[in-house]
Amino acid sequence: AQSVTQLDSHVSVSEGTPVLLRCNYSSSYSPSLFWYVQHPNKGLQLLLKYTSAATLVKGINGFEAEFKKSETSFHLTKPSAHMSDAAEYFCVVSDVYGQNFVFGPGTRLSVLP
Amino acid sequence: SAVISQKPSRDICQRGTSLTIQCQVDSQVTMMFWYRQQPGQSLTLIATANQGSEATYESGFVIDKFPISRPNLTFSTLTVSNMSPEDSSIYLCSGAERTEAFFGQGTRLTVV
Repeated sequence: AQSVTQLDSHVSVSEGTPVLLRCNYSSSYSPSLFWYVQHPNKGLQLLLKYTSAATLVKGINGFEAEFKKSETSFHLTKPSAHMSDAAEYFCVVSDVYGQNFVFGPGTRLSVLP
Repeated sequence: SAVISQKPSRDICQRGTSLTIQCQVDSQVTMMFWYRQQPGQSLTLIATANQGSEATYESGFVIDKFPISRPNLTFSTLTVSNMSPEDSSIYLCSGAERTEAFFGQGTRLTVV
């Protein structure tokens, strides 16, 4: 069985400061991990994914995430927040066959001017 | 990745009626899924839509309430039957190919 924990339901940062959204996972086999972003009244957009290649994954809009097997973590970071980053972020785990996608509860990111 | 067109984008329906949501993918995909996202919540998987066979439902979801069709590898529908206000949610379809999932824009359903 797989599960995802997103440790913060809401994160608030000032524009231009770093962003850290935390994600821990549980999986009985080598997982694939994803971060999706959902802007208000918009669909889900893939930010980045890890599928057993490089542990540091770079995504769109300056986001990146590092897979740490020893910590079962896949935290999402960005050096400098922009107002347009305000959205809901979901950490997702799936098996290596691209099935059984399990969503975390989501973290709402607010960016203050 | 593939693109999914989902419609309607939103609807307001009377209780007791049914609504069918359609998803069209611009390429063939093996796996399609239907999710529900209740207000302020994460996504919950309703069922996996299998081409040529019955959908596989998750615990708490049944075929009589959420019948699904998957006539080919590019199309699927979800019907929300005999609706009640508790069915007010966003419903999303998803396709998966080679470990990546992509999503429709969602259908925002309000039942009054």
